[in-house]
Amino acid sequence: GQNIDQPTEMTATEGAIVQINCTYQTSGFNGLFWYQQHAGEAPTFLSYNVLDGLEEKGRFSSFLSRSKGYSYLLLKELQMKDSASYLCAVASAAGNKLTFGGGTRVLVKP
Amino acid sequence: NAGVTQTPKFQVLKTGQSMTLQCAQDMNHEYMSWYRQDPGMGLRLIHYSVGAGITDQGEVPNGYNVSRSTTEDFPLRLLSAAPSQTSVYFCASSLSGTTIGANVLTFGAGSRLTVL
Repeated sequence: GQNIDQPTEMTATEGAIVQINCTYQTSGFNGLFWYQQHAGEAPTFLSYNVLDGLEEKGRFSSFLSRSKGYSYLLLKELQMKDSASYLCAVASAAGNKLTFGGGTRVLVKP
Repeated sequence: NAGVTQTPKFQVLKTGQSMTLQCAQDMNHEYMSWYRQDPGMGLRLIHYSVGAGITDQGEVPNGYNVSRSTTEDFPLRLLSAAPSQTSVYFCASSLSGTTIGANVLTFGAGSRLTVL
């Protein structure tokens, strides 16, 4: 089975940096995904990691350590529109089935 | 190109009633899935399909049926609704393949179901 943990909620100030951690224990692993979900909307894809290391996409970066079962999503230069939930998901060994963590709600304050 | 389309967006049912949530995608995706999202519990996989004619159970399949007669459509059926099925339901699809990029899920807008 899969067990994925991430903090429930985080608060940060506009312009600052926030790091959202995700730890996982899985019976199979074929990549880790991050999604953003604004309140009342569908999740949208942000990034994925297959190999260890840092992947950067503009203001967002995601890091993976497979040996530690650990990932983080780094949000830089926070904007008010970044207030949302961020979902960590692990892909099964087959690759197509995603198991999600409970999500981290990020509140950006002025 | 509409992506993933779910209907209805909102539905209120009485306990014991049946209904079908519709999901259609126009991206020629092989993989389709249904999740439910409850406060504090994240997205939980109900059923999934890796292609037409093939379906399988996810983490929380009880009380739900699915079928996949075409590549485009993947309806979710509640045979006898219960208050515990009050939730937001998301349909999601992906190309599916050996590269991780092929497994990025595209989600529908969601269907909010209330069972009284």
